[in-house]
Amino acid sequence: QSALTQPASVSGSPGQSITISCTGTSSGVGGYNYVSWYQHHPGKAPKLMIYDVSNRPSGVSNRFSGSKSGNTASLTISGLQAEDEADYYCNSYTSSNFPVFGGGTKLTVL
Amino acid sequence: QVQLVQSGAEVKKPGASVKVSCKASGYTFSSYGISWVRQAPGQGLEWMGWISAYNGNTNYAHNLQGRVTMTTDTSTSRAYMELRSLRSDDTAVYYCARDYYDSSGYYGGLGYWGQGTLVTVSS
Repeated sequence: QSALTQPASVSGSPGQSITISCTGTSSGVGGYNYVSWYQHHPGKAPKLMIYDVSNRPSGVSNRFSGSKSGNTASLTISGLQAEDEADYYCNSYTSSNFPVFGGGTKLTVL
Repeated sequence: QVQLVQSGAEVKKPGASVKVSCKASGYTFSSYGISWVRQAPGQGLEWMGWISAYNGNTNYAHNLQGRVTMTTDTSTSRAYMELRSLRSDDTAVYYCARDYYDSSGYYGGLGYWGQGTLVTVSS
């Protein structure tokens, strides 16, 4: 299965907002509201940040939000903080009954 | 609290097999599925497959079918992932992760993760 397309890197200054895109197809991102986002600090376990496009698990800061338009999902982080610096991965269910991850986006907080 | 504790690092030769374990605690093991995800050095996350801890049903990634087997042992609350005919490009950190369901009972992805197990394939 093909990976979802994410930008390799994004950056922002503390306090700013950034958005990470995740582009798939109509048989994946566009066809289902089963997009999730994971934060991954190197050397640690990934953490679920958003599920079902825009829902936050309990305990996740409301600075993190998700949305979707057509075949592209987005993760927005507002009020950037130093600890947000990490790799971010989107994931989507597909019509092949397999979930697929995006290639990952490295977020740098300047 | 939910915890997933994985077995330790492994070094294997090409062509060998590896079996990674994932010990679950803090919840009813048979009520949730377990996925396995790997990350090769410098690469992104790759979904490998999923197993129901309730009935053992599995769903494997196309590119691993025939080489991977996922099992569970409800008596010990452990999940296992065995990968055979190892190649150098199987070198990766392997994670187990438990299904997440929200308070309304909706599935939400992989909510709890193990610490990862480094598998190195080298001659």
